[in-house]
Amino acid sequence: GAVVSQHPSWVICKSGTSVKIECRSLDFQATTMFWYRQFPKQSLMLMATSNEGSKATYEQGVEKDKFLINHASLTLSTLTVTSAHPEDSSFYICSGYPRTGTYEQYFGPGTRLTVT
Amino acid sequence: KQEVTQIPAALSVPEGENLVLNCSFTDSAIYNLQWFRQDPGKGLTSLLLIQSSQREQTSGRLNASLDKSSGRSTLYIAASQPGDSATYLCAVATDSWGKLQFGAGTQVVVTP
Repeated sequence: GAVVSQHPSWVICKSGTSVKIECRSLDFQATTMFWYRQFPKQSLMLMATSNEGSKATYEQGVEKDKFLINHASLTLSTLTVTSAHPEDSSFYICSGYPRTGTYEQYFGPGTRLTVT
Repeated sequence: KQEVTQIPAALSVPEGENLVLNCSFTDSAIYNLQWFRQDPGKGLTSLLLIQSSQREQTSGRLNASLDKSSGRSTLYIAASQPGDSATYLCAVATDSWGKLQFGAGTQVVVTP
């Protein structure tokens, strides 16, 4: 199957700082990528849809000024958590699918963010 | 609003038994349904994708069925192995962009 990578795999930051998470599709081009967050023992919650070359679409209740998404190329989307607070600590996962195909989504390995 | 439910929430079986995992969704207007596996602290691995026009998909020991009219999908795993221990998630695509709505998952433990 197609491969999606994320960097970093885990990060610890202090409250008030910003953190950038990268999501790359390694062997396919993705016009659309998705960002999810997952709390312990819970399922994935969609945060936003990232489209190459245009603004991201955020789900209801997700602060777009806090979670900045940039999809600058067909293989890279980034999520920046600005002015992070402890409640932003979570597991962030991205996904994408090849432009041509069945819409089968491939997920990155996730990024564990801990805000102290 | 689409809601996806997975039953049971947890399942423990001895090695060799067949696994049956259920997924139901409230709105039959879906584009596709995907089954994933998630190991602790890891991302998701795609297992099977069923398009809305299909009734089932098979891959090795895995078979998934889809009944759109009744809003149900079932994942069968034959002859379970300890390596099958994981959380299994189903998700339905709710729009043409592929936006997924996830169930809460079924945590499976296969004992040797």
